Amino acid sequence: EDQVTQSPEALRLQEGESSSLNCSYTVSGLRGLFWYRQDPGKGPEFLFTLYSAGEEKEKERLKATLTKKESFLHITAPKPEDSATYLCAVQAGSSGSARQLTFGSGTQLTVLP
Amino acid sequence: DAMVIQNPRYQVTQFGKPVTLSCSQTLNHNVMYWYQQKSSQAPKLLFHYYDKDFNNEADTPDNFQSRRPNTSFCFLDIRSPGLGDAAMYLCATSRDRGAETQYFGPGTRLLVL
Repeated sequence: EDQVTQSPEALRLQEGESSSLNCSYTVSGLRGLFWYRQDPGKGPEFLFTLYSAGEEKEKERLKATLTKKESFLHITAPKPEDSATYLCAVQAGSSGSARQLTFGSGTQLTVLP
Repeated sequence: DAMVIQNPRYQVTQFGKPVTLSCSQTLNHNVMYWYQQKSSQAPKLLFHYYDKDFNNEADTPDNFQSRRPNTSFCFLDIRSPGLGDAAMYLCATSRDRGAETQYFGPGTRLLVL
């Protein structure tokens, strides 16, 4: 069974204090790893897709990296508007099959001014 | 802008009274998904459509049904809502099956009285 574990569950940072969120996964045949941001009462907002170990993607203050066992979401000099829950999800399975996303439970990030 | 739209954003229903939630998309994606997300939990896939082909998850209760009359629209029907069905319902789309990014709508918050 595919498993995704995110840590920490909650993280409080001061504005400008860089940190990393972790997503470790156990799947049979990773097809893709996805990072989403979710604000309270809203749907997940897509951030990044990573397909293979060694891949990195960046967007503004966020950088996502992928190894064979885990992914990191690095947040550089965060601002209060970066406060949200960050969800990691994996998709695994044979080519062409519509496989569901397996989500982690998320990391709730709070950035204090 | 191409997007996923959900209506209504908030829905209040009574115990046992059928309710229908709506999702539309302007992305022209082949796959549409319905997720249930309870407070502080990861989204849980209920079912998905690949074009007109309906795919139900094994643990989705029979109380939940779905219709996709055309490419753009998909509906979630809850035949007899119970108190445990109160949740955020998320619609998502992806271009195709396989390792495709899923794009989420804003969600419908369902309250069962």
